[in-house]
Amino acid sequence: AQSVAQPEDQVNVAEGNPLTVKCTYSVSGNPYLFWYVQYPNRGLQFLLKYITGDNLVKGSYGFEAEFNKSQTSFHLKKPSALVSDSALYFCAVRPSILTGGGNKLTFGTGTQLKVEL
Amino acid sequence: DSGVTQTPKHLITATGQRVTLRCSPRSGDLSVYWYQQSLDQGLQFLIQYYNGEERAKGNILERFSAQQFPDLHSELNLSSLELGDSALYFCASSVWTSGTDTQYFGPGTRLTVL
Repeated sequence: AQSVAQPEDQVNVAEGNPLTVKCTYSVSGNPYLFWYVQYPNRGLQFLLKYITGDNLVKGSYGFEAEFNKSQTSFHLKKPSALVSDSALYFCAVRPSILTGGGNKLTFGTGTQLKVEL
Repeated sequence: DSGVTQTPKHLITATGQRVTLRCSPRSGDLSVYWYQQSLDQGLQFLIQYYNGEERAKGNILERFSAQQFPDLHSELNLSSLELGDSALYFCASSVWTSGTDTQYFGPGTRLTVL
């Protein structure tokens, strides 16, 4: 069975500082990893995904994520946080096609990011 | 805007009742997924349809059912509602890009059972 852990319920960071939102995963075979963001009263917006290749993935709104196979982690990062980045962030995993695990996403519990002036 | 639409935005009903949630996927997307988001369970996969056929089932209760119609829109039917069914219900549709399918989510339907 696949699972995702987001160890921090909330991350606080000052505007202009770098931010990191942590995610670790467990899945059979090679993982497909995703980050989504949820603003209040809105649906989930896709930020980025890792399939294979370069361990540093760039996504929307200046976000990037680093895949680390040995640590089974996929941390979300941004060099300079904005107040408008404050939202709920979800990490998700699904097994690769070759594993035959289907398309369903398994989500972490979410991390509330708060960026303050 | 993801291109996935869901109606209604809000639904308030009583225990024991039945409701239908509707989802229209992005143009051209054949897959539709339903997820439930609640405070105690988090985001949970319910069911997936692909071009009218059920493809995968997750933690979906027997009181819940879904279908996908020939025009690819989907409906999630929830019956004999209980207080614990109060949640946000999301629909997603997927497109194949860069080696895998990426799911794009609708704005959700907030269901309140009183």
